[in-house]
Amino acid sequence: EADIYQTPRYLVIGTGKKITLECSQTMGHDKMYWYQQDPGMELHLIHYSYGVNSTEKGDLSSESTVSRIRTEHFPLTLESARPSHTSQYLCASSDTAGSTEAFFGQGTRLTVV
Amino acid sequence: KNQVEQSPQSLIILEGKNCTLQCNYTVSPFSNLRWYKQDTGRGPVSLTIMTFSENTKSNGRYTATLDADTKQSSLHITASQLSDSASYICVVSDRGSTLGRLYFGRGTQLTVWP
Repeated sequence: EADIYQTPRYLVIGTGKKITLECSQTMGHDKMYWYQQDPGMELHLIHYSYGVNSTEKGDLSSESTVSRIRTEHFPLTLESARPSHTSQYLCASSDTAGSTEAFFGQGTRLTVV
Repeated sequence: KNQVEQSPQSLIILEGKNCTLQCNYTVSPFSNLRWYKQDTGRGPVSLTIMTFSENTKSNGRYTATLDADTKQSSLHITASQLSDSASYICVVSDRGSTLGRLYFGRGTQLTVWP
């Protein structure tokens, strides 16, 4: 069982609100990732981090921002939510070794109305 | 362009039957290939991971094969169960960057009927 947790699991919020999606892992992994996934579609990388104070944009442009102040914590923030942000957001982590697997959280299903 | 293509897009089988899912990739330089199972509304869970030198790897009723020359992989599910209903995602990692980029297929949606 992977020790990576996301909260909340589901979130319905009004347009213009600021939201933060939480992701924490207890495995001591250096690398952490945020993916966005629409129903029936593939996962798209939106942010990643190599370690503390390291954050990079992924392949899919996103208006969200991330921070990595602690190894175990990688929150994602949307300053002003819009209906186009409605999606599933998945957090993952892996250690530094190249052949290791990535462990995924359960995901946050975000709906902006 | 690095891509991962999976087929079929969806599949329905009866409980107890076997099935095989396909994955073709163009990711280079290749590092490893993983198969994940994703239940609806949940995060992907790893089934197998194979490196360049591995041809076959099993995990219970799941057997994955890899042909690095043709850049093809398959996931064979034996004696399917209702709980196998899920999306199966092929993920290929490159070794050309520090990140070890993960390239995801769109998945095969498997439905097992009683």
